[in-house]
Amino acid sequence: GAGVSQTPSNKVTEKGKYVELRCDPISGHTALYWYRQSLGQGPEFLIYFQGTGAADDSGLPNDRFFAVRPEGSVSTLKIQRTERGDSAVYLCASSLGQGQGEAFFGQGTRLTVV
Amino acid sequence: TQLLEQSPQFLSIQEGENLTVYCNSSSVFSSLQWYRQEPGEGPVLLVTVVTGGEVKKLKRLTFQFGDARKDSSLHITAAQPGDTGLYLCAGKLYKLSFGAGTTVTVRA
Repeated sequence: GAGVSQTPSNKVTEKGKYVELRCDPISGHTALYWYRQSLGQGPEFLIYFQGTGAADDSGLPNDRFFAVRPEGSVSTLKIQRTERGDSAVYLCASSLGQGQGEAFFGQGTRLTVV
Repeated sequence: TQLLEQSPQFLSIQEGENLTVYCNSSSVFSSLQWYRQEPGEGPVLLVTVVTGGEVKKLKRLTFQFGDARKDSSLHITAAQPGDTGLYLCAGKLYKLSFGAGTTVTVRA
């Protein structure tokens, strides 16, 4: 596709369950970012990939959060033992490379933990 | 802790009025970006400013980067209802760090 695609667009899960959120970046973009956004707030950085490797995962809130990008394209954000406080919109963005060009955002996945 | 502070947090004005949103930081950035976000969508880039003191205009929007590259402002002239949205500033080092955003509502 032409833009960053995130699936699912909405996810409702029960407290304690495991969830996976998927991001398909723009083809050819080597940099991929995950952000989390609460209502009325700015996006909060979670993790940044350059290629297959996580160049900076300092924003992951705890070890329940993990992200992978095994082939340097699609990325999956994984959340174990979900808590109600994990409810937010999870945004993915991609750009040509580290510090290069505009970062394009997907529409986000709205995660609700009940 | 927010690296970038935006003010005001909320702004509600009448169509035709002007508005200014501010973005301040104690850090120096290689560039600063302004985004606009509508409900249910991701942020969309409006402009990137790179040089201290730089002023960029995009139709009715004027963006300014402070001389020290620590702060920026967004000014909208003769606001229209279509300008309603969440305006975000983001400072770029190698990753984007966002401010909390300013929710702008323009009433018809």
